[in-house]
Amino acid sequence: GAGVSQTPSNKVTEKGKYVELRCDPISGHTALYWYRQSLGQGPEFLIYFQGTGAADDSGLPNDRFFAVRPEGSVSTLKIQRTERGDSAVYLCASRSGTSGYNEQFFGPGTRLTVL
Amino acid sequence: QKEVEQNSGPLSVPEGAIASLNCTYSDRGSQSFFWYRQYSGKSPELIMFIYSNGDKEDGRFTAQLNKASQYVSLLIRDSQPSDSATYLCAVPNQAGTALIFGKGTTLSVSS
Repeated sequence: GAGVSQTPSNKVTEKGKYVELRCDPISGHTALYWYRQSLGQGPEFLIYFQGTGAADDSGLPNDRFFAVRPEGSVSTLKIQRTERGDSAVYLCASRSGTSGYNEQFFGPGTRLTVL
Repeated sequence: QKEVEQNSGPLSVPEGAIASLNCTYSDRGSQSFFWYRQYSGKSPELIMFIYSNGDKEDGRFTAQLNKASQYVSLLIRDSQPSDSATYLCAVPNQAGTALIFGKGTTLSVSS
């Protein structure tokens, strides 16, 4: 079956521009996560959706970052006024159910480079 | 804020040896622990999770949890070059809504 997909795989943008990163989770998975991974670091939590609502957005670094999941499936991470420090791999993961023991399946990530 | 600490390595072992990867965590209340493997340029994939003290074995992999000492380790027996990757340790955050990852340990298995 299809796994988590993310588009684009690579995004190069200029400082100050707006970007959107898309995540298509595994069909039927109600939980969706966004993480950010910088070189040499583990993934860093950004936001968690259960269904359509953001159940935990405490990891978003500032108000330039926003994410939506309007129909409880596809999610879009939006970054306004990008900064060079936003350069990283943005990972999306999905999980079935609400139990914390269920495995999170990661997508291939979007590599964002801000020039 | 929970923290997860790992030695970044690299840890180098010869093919066929046992690789031992360690992780310590700050929150004594943590209940479950996850080991993810991440090949260079790829996304993390779950290889083990453990929530009881003691050992959990799955093929060549054994996870060991010691809650009193607040560490969890991953042993890889009969290491293969294909095991060369970064191994990430993770625990659920305080709210149980996401995972907190360590920086990962890079393992290199030489043939």
